[in-house]
Amino acid sequence: EIVLTQSPATLSLSPGERATLSCRASQSVSSYLAWYQQKPGQAPRLLIYDASNRATGIPARFSGSGSGTDFTLTISSLEPEDFAVYYCQQRSNWPLITFGQGTRLEIK
Amino acid sequence: QLQLQESGPGLVKPSETLSLTCTVSGGSISSSSYYWGWIRQPPGKGLEWIGSIYYSGSTYYNPSLKSRVTISVDTSKNQFSLKLSSVTAADTAVYYCASEVDVFDYWGQGTLVTVSS
Repeated sequence: EIVLTQSPATLSLSPGERATLSCRASQSVSSYLAWYQQKPGQAPRLLIYDASNRATGIPARFSGSGSGTDFTLTISSLEPEDFAVYYCQQRSNWPLITFGQGTRLEIK
Repeated sequence: QLQLQESGPGLVKPSETLSLTCTVSGGSISSSSYYWGWIRQPPGKGLEWIGSIYYSGSTYYNPSLKSRVTISVDTSKNQFSLKLSSVTAADTAVYYCASEVDVFDYWGQGTLVTVSS
């Protein structure tokens, strides 16, 4: 099983600041890495697929990078609605899918 | 745009079988583009993939749950279903259904299932 480790567990920032979230895989997942955003009481929303491709309707302030075992989700300038929990997910050994444990992005 | 909706009992007794159905609208469950998946989230915790199914009936399960999970599809009703047997309190979670194209792009709103006597 491929284990995804996200860091930090919690990130405290202010609106307008830049957020950098990390996801590390226990073995290479090539570029088969996705990012989701989840707000309280809501289902997760797909943000990024294949490491760096924004999903339909996702603002340009969200960007993804990385390959192999190390990946980053960057939010260039935080908006109030961006404070949420973020999960990474790999499909490298599809159909077996795993998620990271999540990073909570909170308002400082 | 696809829409998915979970339905089923919100309370299940320990040792019994949890049964949920996901109804798909806005598209055909028989589309060759999609798999259909179940994901769960215990209260206050992260996401866990349970398993997925193709319209043909091919299934893939999380190895940690495989012995207790059955996912099936009913193309005539545009639905797919989840059965999880021998449930315990650890199976209490919000259960989501989602469309899957290697990633989960459309999700249902989720349904909370509590395991308690």
